[in-house]
Amino acid sequence: QQQVKQSPQSLIVQKGGIPIINCAYENTAFDYFPWYQQFPGKGPALLIAIRPDVSEKKEGRFTISFNKSAKQFSLHIMDSQPGDSATYFCAAYERGGADGLTFGKGTHLIIQP
Amino acid sequence: DGGITQSPKYLFRKEGQNVTLSCEQNLNHDAMYWYRQDPGQGLRLIYYSQIVNDFQKGDIAEGYSVSREKKESFPLTVTSAQKNPTAFYLCATRWAYEQYFGPGTRLTVT
Repeated sequence: QQQVKQSPQSLIVQKGGIPIINCAYENTAFDYFPWYQQFPGKGPALLIAIRPDVSEKKEGRFTISFNKSAKQFSLHIMDSQPGDSATYFCAAYERGGADGLTFGKGTHLIIQP
Repeated sequence: DGGITQSPKYLFRKEGQNVTLSCEQNLNHDAMYWYRQDPGQGLRLIYYSQIVNDFQKGDIAEGYSVSREKKESFPLTVTSAQKNPTAFYLCATRWAYEQYFGPGTRLTVT
């Protein structure tokens, strides 16, 4: 059972555009929602994260929007650049969960110059 | 320089051989994880450990084994029983809510 569903699987956007990646979850016990960025041949790195008590969080050009009632959250990248081309994973964590984060399957993002 | 190290970066083995992937951390984190990454399949949990001398199977543990004799080290052995071992393997630690990943080891079995 896939507990965090991520879409789209791949995305191509022109430089300066705003790519949007969406995730939906089912487990209402999740209480921490991070996004990870992964470049080819590297390990994922934490990009930005949100708790369910806020609806939006911004860090630089990256914004998470969170809709608790719909059990959905999304990542927006403002003024996207070719250097943002990477694979992005959403994830969710349940307080006290020993087995760590539950990950979406990833979105391969390409920003064209 | 703190962090997670995985060695080697690339590993090649013949089919039928066991191989051990190294993961070392100096973050003083109790929880450690092993993931397998295949194209289009995201990150799949192999094994995890919350404390020294204790570990649990993840979603795809068959054909793998681990040990946790020291807090700093969590090696993963890919055995000959693993049917499709060629993949990118990631080690991670967790502190509270945040999870940190190593640089990964790409294993190719022919």
